[in-house]
Amino acid sequence: KQEVTQIPAALSVPEGENLVLNCSFTDSAIYNLQWFRQDPGKGLTSLLLIQSSQREQTSGRLNASLDKSSGRSTLYIAASQPGDSATYLCAVKGGRRALTFGSGTRLQVQP
Amino acid sequence: GAGVSQSPSNKVTEKGKDVELRCDPISGHTALYWYRQSLGQGLEFLIYFQGNSAPDKSGLPSDRFSAERTGGSVSTLTIQRTQQEDSAVYLCASSGTSGEAGELFFGEGSRLTVL
Repeated sequence: KQEVTQIPAALSVPEGENLVLNCSFTDSAIYNLQWFRQDPGKGLTSLLLIQSSQREQTSGRLNASLDKSSGRSTLYIAASQPGDSATYLCAVKGGRRALTFGSGTRLQVQP
Repeated sequence: GAGVSQSPSNKVTEKGKDVELRCDPISGHTALYWYRQSLGQGLEFLIYFQGNSAPDKSGLPSDRFSAERTGGSVSTLTIQRTQQEDSAVYLCASSGTSGEAGELFFGEGSRLTVL
């Protein structure tokens, strides 16, 4: 059974810092990995999708990497802003066809 | 539509009543998922529809839960004889790729409160 773990569970940083969120998964037989953000009381917004054949994806200040063999992904946020405050979720898609989610990292960027 | 649409956004019901939650996926998307997110918890997979294939119901927590997808588009999640532990946000997502590599797009969710 696939298990997804996100570390840290919560993170508070001052504005402008670069930061890294970590995601690990137990079964490396995945099709893809997706990073989402969730604002309080809202649905999930897709940030980046990395296919199993890819090593990284970039969108603006966000960069996500994937090391499938070791079961790890990182989300790098450059020059963090207060608007980045949210819960970040990673999810992997494996043989079950549905995504398995981690429990998220709650990020607070202090102005 | 431009995004995944869910209704109602909020539903308060009494224990024992039936509820229906609706999801309108992105036009043309073949895959549709239902997830549940309880307060302070992660996302729990409920059910997955892909085109005309038999749905993957492996995540439904009990036989009080059922879902349909009519005409390969709109889906309805039905919870019969609701219990207080059913209180959660029910999230729907759709994907436009028939294979395994599709990006998921989520709606804003339906918040269910069972009194």
